[in-house]
Amino acid sequence: AQSVSQHNHHVILSEAASLELGCNYSYGGTVNLFWYVQYPGQHLQLLLKYFSGDPLVKGIKGFEAEFIKSKFSFNLRKPSVQWSDTAEYFCAVGKRGNTPLVFGKGTRLSVIA
Amino acid sequence: EAGVTQFPSHSVIEKGQTVTLRCDPISGHDNLYWYRRVMGKEIKFLLHFVKESKQDESGMPNNRFLAERTGGTYSTLKVQPAELEDSGVYFCASSPLGLAASDEQFFGPGTRLTVL
Repeated sequence: AQSVSQHNHHVILSEAASLELGCNYSYGGTVNLFWYVQYPGQHLQLLLKYFSGDPLVKGIKGFEAEFIKSKFSFNLRKPSVQWSDTAEYFCAVGKRGNTPLVFGKGTRLSVIA
Repeated sequence: EAGVTQFPSHSVIEKGQTVTLRCDPISGHDNLYWYRRVMGKEIKFLLHFVKESKQDESGMPNNRFLAERTGGTYSTLKVQPAELEDSGVYFCASSPLGLAASDEQFFGPGTRLTVL
């Protein structure tokens, strides 16, 4: 069975600090990888996704993630966070072909001034 | 284009009562998924419709949960009778059929269910 592990439950950063959120998954086949974000009071939104090609993917709002196949990892990064990045971040994995997603437990990010 | 909508946004019921949650997917999206997040845990898959057919219902917790998608448009998820452990946020997501290379799912705002 697939599983997704997010290493940090709650991260607190000051504005302008760099961010890296860890995500590891277990699945032997070809997968699609996603980072979703839920801002307070809002829907889950897609930040970025990887399904093939360049393992460094860029998403919205300056986020990027790197797929390292040998480590089964898909870590999320942002060089300089803003207060508006305060949200909960979810890593998810899905098999190819319109299948259900498996989510990690989520990481709550709090950015303080 | 309207996104995925869910109704109600919140529901508070007593143990033993019945609740029906509704999801309207993005128009034209044949895939419809239900997920649930119990407090403090991960978002977990419940079931997947392709049009009106149940493609995968392996995540449904028990037979108190009944999902339908008559006509292949909106879907309902009924919990009868509700138990305390059913409390959580129920998410619906949709995606177009056939775009395997993308597989992005679009999520609704969720319904927060509280069973007292």
